[in-house]
Order: sequence, then C-alpha cells, then structure tokens
Amino acid sequence: GEDVEQSLFLSVREGDSSVINCTYTDSSSTYLYWYKQEPGAGLQLLTYIFSNMDMKQDQRLTVLLNKKDKHLSLRIADTQTGDSAIYFCAETRMDSSYKLIFGSGTRLLVRP
Amino acid sequence: EADIYQTPRYLVIGTGKKITLECSQTMGHDKMYWYQQDPGMELHLIHYSYGVNSTEKGDLSSESTVSRIRTEHFPLTLESARPSHTSQYLCASSGAGSGNQPQHFGDGTRLSIL
Repeated sequence: GEDVEQSLFLSVREGDSSVINCTYTDSSSTYLYWYKQEPGAGLQLLTYIFSNMDMKQDQRLTVLLNKKDKHLSLRIADTQTGDSAIYFCAETRMDSSYKLIFGSGTRLLVRP
Repeated sequence: EADIYQTPRYLVIGTGKKITLECSQTMGHDKMYWYQQDPGMELHLIHYSYGVNSTEKGDLSSESTVSRIRTEHFPLTLESARPSHTSQYLCASSGAGSGNQPQHFGDGTRLSIL
C-alpha cells in the first residue's frame, strides 16, 4: 500500500542476519505487525509491537520501532533457508482499528 | 496456530460459473475479512464484517459478495466468474476489543478462471 512502504527484495547468506525495513506515514498507528508468507500459503503472524515501544525481541526476531522517523525494522538472527519467504509489514490506526494497512512485501532469499 | 479454514485450496473453473469460496473460523472472532492478492503482491481488502448480519465493502472494488449469517462462517460468492477474477483470495479473522487484535489468516484459495 502507498502508506506503508517496503523494499522489494533482500538476499542474504545462510547464518547471516537479515534486516527488513518498513516505513509508514500515519502517526496515529497503534500496533505494527510483521507477517510471513511462504509460497502458496496464507499469512503467518510473526510478531507485533505497540507504538509506545521501541524494541521487542522474540527468539531470533527483533523488532525496532523509530516512531519519530516512522520506521519499523525486523531483524532475523542466524537466518536459515526456511526463512525464505515474503515478509509483510502492517499497521493499524486509531481511526480504523479493525483494518490492517499492508506494505507491498519484501521477498527474502536465503542463499546456502 | 490460528483455527481458520478455507476451502477449496485450489479451483480451476470456466467463465460464467457461480463460485462460492468458504471460510470458517473456530475462535469465536467477531471480525472477519476477505483479501485479494495476486501472487507475491500486496493484499487488497475487498470485504469485511463486524459480526453477524454485518458486511462492508473494503478498499478495493470487487464484483464478489459476502454474507455473515453465522459468527464462524464468512463465504464469498462470485455470481459469474471471469478471467479477471483469477487471483488468490485470503480470509482472516480477529477478535473484538480495542486492544491488540491481530488478524489470523487462512491458507487461501487460489482461483483460476479459464
């Protein structure tokens, strides 16, 4: 979506860290989410962060939020070939909390 | 794991046929959604529902219709399928409340109209 932007493609070597970036425009965003989509499948919720937090860590995943710059990132430590997928950033807003605004997705390719 | 199910997973059918895509969830969620997604592309919201007997059009215009007669069931219907309807259709649901209510997705239906 035009209000949530992501880079289209990222390629990393197995074992390296991956960082997927996302920018959003609406300052009323409440929750920000990362979803993973494997080929031919639906979206799997990976993690989320509330807009008053700066960082959230969950095993190999670290989410960083810079609210001033409206920038969200997802870091995957020790990236594995099974992490190859499309990663979508999404936000909800105070004025429409039931809707998700999605980015266009970042395709992550993990090379052996 | 979220308990939301879509059938069929794949459907190849000729132009002009009536199609119903099924979506069911066992989580008691009030809100349900349908998205249309071309392979590897962004998601577009086409329909959503706040609860039983509630249906709303989403951000992307669609010739499909939906109904919500039961909380757990949110079918999507195309009265006369056309090749332009070829896409993947994803169903999702979320709980009520003003706090964090992430959407949980089904595995999708990949629809091909010949």
